[in-house]
Amino acid sequence: AQRVTQPEKLLSVFKGAPVELKCNYSYSGSPELFWYVQYSRQRLQLLLRHISRESIKGFTADLNKGETSFHLKKPFAQEEDSAMYYCALKASGTYKYIFGTGTRLKVLA
Amino acid sequence: DTAVSQTPKYLVTQMGNDKSIKCEQNLGHDTMYWYKQDSKKFLKIMFSYNNKELIINETVPNRFSPKSPDKAHLNLHINSLELGDSAVYFCASSVQGEKLFFGSGTQLSVL
Repeated sequence: AQRVTQPEKLLSVFKGAPVELKCNYSYSGSPELFWYVQYSRQRLQLLLRHISRESIKGFTADLNKGETSFHLKKPFAQEEDSAMYYCALKASGTYKYIFGTGTRLKVLA
Repeated sequence: DTAVSQTPKYLVTQMGNDKSIKCEQNLGHDTMYWYKQDSKKFLKIMFSYNNKELIINETVPNRFSPKSPDKAHLNLHINSLELGDSAVYFCASSVQGEKLFFGSGTQLSVL
């Protein structure tokens, strides 16, 4: 069965500190992994996807198939990064997204 | 122009009532979804339509019935509302299952 695990419900870091939001998945096939973000009073939106291998707003995420992980990282957190972050998995060739339980990131001044 | 719009934004109703939530997208996408976000912020897929055809139907009570009159619309009708139905319901759309575009959500409160 497909599953996405985000072990931290809440992550608090100080401004300028590195941040890592953890995501582990369970899927026997070849997954597509995504990070979605929901800022306060805004709708959920795509932050990045593993196949793009890009950095968005300073965030990066590397798919590690050996560890079945897709952790989201940023070297220097900013206050505007405070939001709810969801890791999501989509099985290749399907339309079904499975979301993790989300991690609320709070960046403290 | 709002890409994915849901109405109403808030819905407060009594147990046992029947209610509908509407969703429209003007992106020309072929796939639409309904997700439920519970009080713990857990997002769970409920239904998905591709070109008006139901392609995902998760374990959801029969009281929930989606309807897609055309590719741009996906409505959700809920019969005999229960307390446990209280949640935020999100509509989303995509092209061929790619990047999801979400609506702003409908907060349903069942009293």
